[in-house]
Amino acid sequence: GAVVSQHPSRVICKSGTSVKIECRSLDFQATTMFWYRQFPKQSLMLMATSNEGSKATYEQGVEKDKFLINHASLTLSTLTVTSAHPEDSSFYICSATVGTGDGYTFGSGTRLTVV
Amino acid sequence: GENVEQHPSTLSVQEGDSAVIKCTYSDSASNYFPWYKQELGKRPQLIIDIRSNVGEKKDQRIAVTLNKTAKHFSLHITETQPEDSAVYFCAASKGKGGKLIFGQGTELSVKP
Repeated sequence: GAVVSQHPSRVICKSGTSVKIECRSLDFQATTMFWYRQFPKQSLMLMATSNEGSKATYEQGVEKDKFLINHASLTLSTLTVTSAHPEDSSFYICSATVGTGDGYTFGSGTRLTVV
Repeated sequence: GENVEQHPSTLSVQEGDSAVIKCTYSDSASNYFPWYKQELGKRPQLIIDIRSNVGEKKDQRIAVTLNKTAKHFSLHITETQPEDSAVYFCAASKGKGGKLIFGQGTELSVKP
């Protein structure tokens, strides 16, 4: 089946630095990539939607200059958390579709800890 | 935009009993309703889904029902087992690659 590889699985960074998270679709072309953030004991909150070759669409309340999303190819999307702060510590997870209504494939998630 | 409400937030049942989790959605254009099981620190796993052209779908001990008029759908797990213990999320989308919006989650605990 469709697989999305997400890296890194865990990252610890210092406050003020930037962190990049990658999601690659391994055996299909991901038309659309969704990025979610999940705080402990909470739901998956959609941050943004990205389509290959176009700018990401951010959900209300998500700072686009802080969470940079790039979807340069049909197999790779990246999320960069810029100037990370402890409150950005969370579980980030991507989800890809091929745009045919066949469902959503999730990455394995990235546990970000900002110290 | 779409809003999905899920209840209850926690559910504790005895092994062998049934568990029911309910969700309502706000956008009548939504037509795809998946249910996910998530274990701590892991990705959500699809356990069953239903599309708006059917009212019920069953897969062994798991079933989902959909009432489009009332805009609600439910997950039914029968003969629960301790390994069913996890957090369950409902979600809704307009399909065709549309964004997937999640409910708040239900922490199910199945006691032996």
